[in-house]
Amino acid sequence: NAGVMQNPRHLVRRRGQEARLRCSPMKGHSHVYWYRQLPEEGLKFMVYLQKENIIDESGMPKERFSAEFPKEGPSILRIQQVVRGDSAAYFCASSSDRGWGTEAFFGQGTRLTVV
Amino acid sequence: QQQVKQSPQSLIVQKGGISIINCAYENTAFDYFPWYQQFPGKGPALLIAIRPDVSEKKEGRFTISFNKSAKQFSLHIMDSQPGDSATYFCAASIWGSNYKLTFGKGTLLTVNP
Repeated sequence: NAGVMQNPRHLVRRRGQEARLRCSPMKGHSHVYWYRQLPEEGLKFMVYLQKENIIDESGMPKERFSAEFPKEGPSILRIQQVVRGDSAAYFCASSSDRGWGTEAFFGQGTRLTVV
Repeated sequence: QQQVKQSPQSLIVQKGGISIINCAYENTAFDYFPWYQQFPGKGPALLIAIRPDVSEKKEGRFTISFNKSAKQFSLHIMDSQPGDSATYFCAASIWGSNYKLTFGKGTLLTVNP
């Protein structure tokens, strides 16, 4: 049973470009959560999605960031017109319908560098 | 406003020693307190968690101590091993929305052989 798969592992973008981060949840998991880890900081919650629905986006920046989890395919975190401050590690986690608790697992993260 | 303060920032312990990491929280609505272990290049992995109905929880060499009145909780690693060397994060959330964790800044633990 493969774990949470994130790709790419490393992504370099120039200021003003778009970044697309992908997350494939564990088999049997239909809930996806995105977190951001800035340098020297703990992880910060961004968004919680179920298939085709955004459940909680209270941690998402108001502009340039969006997330989706389509019926088919991975969840996508999209950052438009990236700036240097977007450089961070982005982690997704997934869980079953039982919810978070001991049922949620993190992927290895995508490290975004904006140059 | 940082809602979960973690200390120390880094910790060096000899093999066989006890590692202690402390966290303090501000939001009295928090009622779920997990600890995560993260190795370089990997995602965080749940280590152990506690809810405020108990003051201590032990799983193998890992123990969480919880002090509700002081709004503090700590992780104790007994008989620390070099393989325990990692970054440890405490976190807190409200049960029912426990996916919305507030993390501390992390403690880099190094266990010397």
